Amino acid sequence: GESVGLHLPTLSVQEGDNSIINCAYSNSASDYFIWYKQESGKGPQFIIDIRSNMDKRQGQRVTVLLNKTVKHLSLQIAATQPGDSAVYFCAEILGTGNQFYFGTGTSLTVIP
Amino acid sequence: KAGVTQTPRYLIKTRGQQVTLSCSPISGHRSVSWYQQTPGQGLQFLFEYFSETQRNKGNFPGRFSGRQFSNSRSEMNVSTLELGDSALYLCASSLRNGGPVTDTQYFGPGTRLTVL
Repeated sequence: GESVGLHLPTLSVQEGDNSIINCAYSNSASDYFIWYKQESGKGPQFIIDIRSNMDKRQGQRVTVLLNKTVKHLSLQIAATQPGDSAVYFCAEILGTGNQFYFGTGTSLTVIP
Repeated sequence: KAGVTQTPRYLIKTRGQQVTLSCSPISGHRSVSWYQQTPGQGLQFLFEYFSETQRNKGNFPGRFSGRQFSNSRSEMNVSTLELGDSALYLCASSLRNGGPVTDTQYFGPGTRLTVL
């Protein structure tokens, strides 16, 4: 399978600070990427996506950056809140088929 | 629209038994994918069904199987359960309209399977 890895397994930030979660992918042919948030006891929840023809996409308090040169993806959360505490997964999708490859996840803890 | 639903939410079985999990996709979604999630592991892809046909398959033994019905609902079956099968089983649905652009997958809450 493809390798989708996360640089840090855990991340702790102070409430109100910005958070950056990183993800490396291995296949330069991947053309679609998604960030998911998973809270304890729940299934992954879609946060934001980006296609390979873009390098930045913004949502509400979240921004995803894609650097295809180094095959790196990041999720930025502005003004992190306690409700942002969760495990965040990046998913890499190849153009062929509908198979998603997920990283092991980064656990984000927001300190009040 | 209602989200992806999975039943049951929790299940306890013993080794050697078999289990069937159910997933109802978002209305209008034709693709259902199944994943296994264990502590410390990422989501591991099991298989994907589209229009009642298995389109993709992950690296799991034949004890893991599935099917999809004409209404896009899907079931996953695990036979001869092993302790290592204890996990959260997630299903995700997507439109999969057959176009060149991949559709987002939306996940259900999962079924927590414990094998004793």
